[in-house]
Amino acid sequence: NAGVTQTPKFQVLKTGQSMTLQCAQDMNHNSMYWYRQDPGMGLRLIYYSASEGTTDKGEVPNGYNVSRLNKREFSLRLESAAPSQTSVYFCASSEWGRSNEKLFFGSGTQLSVL
Amino acid sequence: QKEVEQDPGPLSVPEGAIVSLNCTYSNSAFQYFMWYRQYSRKGPELLMYTYSSGNKEDGRFTAQVDKSSKYISLFIRDSQPSDSATYLCAMRASGGSYIPTFGRGTSLIVHP
Repeated sequence: NAGVTQTPKFQVLKTGQSMTLQCAQDMNHNSMYWYRQDPGMGLRLIYYSASEGTTDKGEVPNGYNVSRLNKREFSLRLESAAPSQTSVYFCASSEWGRSNEKLFFGSGTQLSVL
Repeated sequence: QKEVEQDPGPLSVPEGAIVSLNCTYSNSAFQYFMWYRQYSRKGPELLMYTYSSGNKEDGRFTAQVDKSSKYISLFIRDSQPSDSATYLCAMRASGGSYIPTFGRGTSLIVHP
């Protein structure tokens, strides 16, 4: 099993360009998440999807959109990239509602916006 | 003040030392406490998971929760260079949202 797979691993954009980060999980989890990680800021939640067909904003949703394509896939879109969106992006999945729930993370996408 | 506070370090120790990593929190509703380990250029992975107060041991790792002080700790005995990583604490309440709140992470360096 691959777990959580993110593509691409690295990306450089110019200000104003758009792109979509892809995420897929093969653990049959019902919940998926997008985080960004910046030096000294820890993990900050951008958007999450508690179950297929639902999405909700997290702590830092501005400038991003998401799509829960199906149970396996959850994509993050930057419509008009800004330098402030330079960060490492992590996708995660979990079984929502279990008392011993844990998040499984992908290996990340390093994004630079020039 | 953030809900979860964690000193970012770095914390540098010699091989074999006992390491203590800590987090404080302000939300008394937190009941589930987690420690994630993150190696450089990798995603975090769950290391320890405890419910409510008390200790939990797993090999060289011990997680401790003191709810009265709103303070959690992760102890690493006989630390190894392979333990060099960033350790993130995370916690959540028992009801409502199941999304954990993360600390900023502490960078640990264990030198031979």
